[in-house]
Amino acid sequence: KQEVTQIPAALSVPEGENLVLNCSFTDSAIYNLQWFRQDPGKGLTSLLLIQSSQREQTSGRLNASLDKSSGRSTLYIAASQPGDSATYLCAVRRGSGYSTLTFGKGTMLLVSP
Amino acid sequence: GAGVSQSPSNKVTEKGKDVELRCDPISGHTALYWYRQSLGQGLEFLIYFQGNSAPDKSGLPSDRFSAERTGGSVSTLTIQRTQQEDSAVYLCASSRVGRAGETQYFGPGTRLLVL
Repeated sequence: KQEVTQIPAALSVPEGENLVLNCSFTDSAIYNLQWFRQDPGKGLTSLLLIQSSQREQTSGRLNASLDKSSGRSTLYIAASQPGDSATYLCAVRRGSGYSTLTFGKGTMLLVSP
Repeated sequence: GAGVSQSPSNKVTEKGKDVELRCDPISGHTALYWYRQSLGQGLEFLIYFQGNSAPDKSGLPSDRFSAERTGGSVSTLTIQRTQQEDSAVYLCASSRVGRAGETQYFGPGTRLLVL
């Protein structure tokens, strides 16, 4: 059974810092990995999706890397801002086509002004 | 266009009562998923619909939970004889398959509190 772990569970940083969120998964047979953002009272917003054949994806100040063989992914946030405060979720998909996602418990990020 | 919508946004009920949670997927999305997010836990998969059929309902935690989908659109998740441990956020997602594979779009969730 696939298990996804996210470290740290919570993180508090001052504005402007660069930070790294970690995600690990036990079964390396994944199709892709996705990072989501969840704001209080809101649904999930997809941030980055990395296919299993890719090593990284970038969007603005966000960079996600994937090391499939070791079962690890990192989400790097550059020059953090208070608006980045949210819970960040990592999820893996086993197959192509329609497939359920297996989620980690998330990292709760607080960026203080 | 409109995203995935869920209703109610919040529901407080007494232990033992039945509740119905509704999900309106994005028009044209054939797949629909229900997930549950309990306090301190990650999202856990409940059930998946393709059209009106549910090829995977392996995540439903007990026979008190059931779901249906009609017209390949709206889905209802029903919890009978609610228990306090059913308190959670119930999230619905609909999806399409494109060139990059499947993309799931999530609704805002229904926050259920069982007293």
